[in-house]
Amino acid sequence: GENVEQHPSTLSVQEGDSAVIKCTYSDSASNYFPWYKQELGKGPQLIIDIRSNVGEKKDQRIAVTLNKTAKHFSLHITETQPEDSAVYFCAASIVQGGSEKLVFGKGTKLTVNP
Amino acid sequence: EAQVTQNPRYLITVTGKKLTVTCSQNMNHEYMSWYRQDPGLGLRQIYYSMNVEVTDKGDVPEGYKVSRKEKRNFPLILESPSPNQTSLYFCASSLRGGPESSYNEQFFGPGTRLTVL
Repeated sequence: GENVEQHPSTLSVQEGDSAVIKCTYSDSASNYFPWYKQELGKGPQLIIDIRSNVGEKKDQRIAVTLNKTAKHFSLHITETQPEDSAVYFCAASIVQGGSEKLVFGKGTKLTVNP
Repeated sequence: EAQVTQNPRYLITVTGKKLTVTCSQNMNHEYMSWYRQDPGLGLRQIYYSMNVEVTDKGDVPEGYKVSRKEKRNFPLILESPSPNQTSLYFCASSLRGGPESSYNEQFFGPGTRLTVL
């Protein structure tokens, strides 16, 4: 089955620096790759996603890149702020038994130090 | 406000005492899903539902049941809870879940922290 590996598991940066989180997936048929942010005590919330026909997508300080050949995708956060501190999950879609589901990575705890 | 709600948010129970965690969404979504989140293991899918009366097992379904009698509700049932089901549970929904769906964003509820003693 699909396996999504996410690295690093923890990341600590200084405010203003960039943060990069990387994920790899195993199913070449995956075509949708969302990133979720989970703040303390809350459910995950979608922050950006990318589909397989696009190599890069940006939304203000957040960007995601996708390399389908290598089967990896990354989240880039520039000019980090303390409110970016959270757990981030990557995911990849798979089609299984007629339905589409998401397989999640194990998460990255990002800490932005003031 | 579009949202997914779960109840209760916190629950402490004892082994073997049946419990139900409710989930409701007000977005007319077809697809609903339950996940459990454990330290170091991320989010793992327990059960999902493509639509009313259509449910299927996820990756970790043992010890759980679900039902989908109405589009908006997707309760998670633990018939005989055990300590290894102590976890943080999330319900999620999305517009469609089929292979031709073009809109896959999943909206998550706030979570239910369950402790089984």
